[in-house]
Amino acid sequence: NAGVTQTPKFRVLKTGQSMTLLCAQDMNHEYMYWYRQDPGMGLRLIHYSVGEGTTAKGEVPDGYNVSRLKKQNFLLGLESAAPSQTSVYFCASSTEETTQYFGPGTRLLVL
Amino acid sequence: AQSVTQLDSQVPVFEEAPVELRCNYSSSVSVYLFWYVQYPNQGLQLLLKYLSGSTLVKGINGFEAEFNKSQTSFHLRKPSVHISDTAEYFCAVSDWRTSYDKVIFGPGTSLSVIP
Repeated sequence: NAGVTQTPKFRVLKTGQSMTLLCAQDMNHEYMYWYRQDPGMGLRLIHYSVGEGTTAKGEVPDGYNVSRLKKQNFLLGLESAAPSQTSVYFCASSTEETTQYFGPGTRLLVL
Repeated sequence: AQSVTQLDSQVPVFEEAPVELRCNYSSSVSVYLFWYVQYPNQGLQLLLKYLSGSTLVKGINGFEAEFNKSQTSFHLRKPSVHISDTAEYFCAVSDWRTSYDKVIFGPGTSLSVIP
């Protein structure tokens, strides 16, 4: 099993550009999550999904959109990137038992 | 509302010495508690978790944590650290009723093991 994978690993954007981050899991997990990690702030939940075709807002959803068209994939979109969105983005998946499995992260720099 | 406090942002410790990383939480309901470890340039991995039962929880790599309900704490301990334990450690709490969207992470503690 590959577990949770994220693409791309690194990305540099200019302010106003758009991009999509892809998360894939091969563990047949129902729940998937997108977090951002910033120094001294731990992980903050952006959006999450409790199953195929469902999404919900987390703690810091503004400026992001998500889609879960297939159970194994969870996409995070930035429609108009801002420097405040410079961060490391982590995807995670879990079953109902709450233990989350994390991907390796995507490092995003917005200039 | 739930919150997690990790009082020590950085903890330096000599190799083979014991270490304790502190975690306190606030919540009005019963909780699940977790410790995750993040090695440089990697994602988070679960070290251990408390769901119910025994308050002393043993995890991977020789770590253990004790749930203390009266002090609302879940401190992580290891009796003898190794260089490979150098990493960022995150305490997390979730509401047992709505666990999938209520996992709150602390700000993290950076453990540096000195040879």
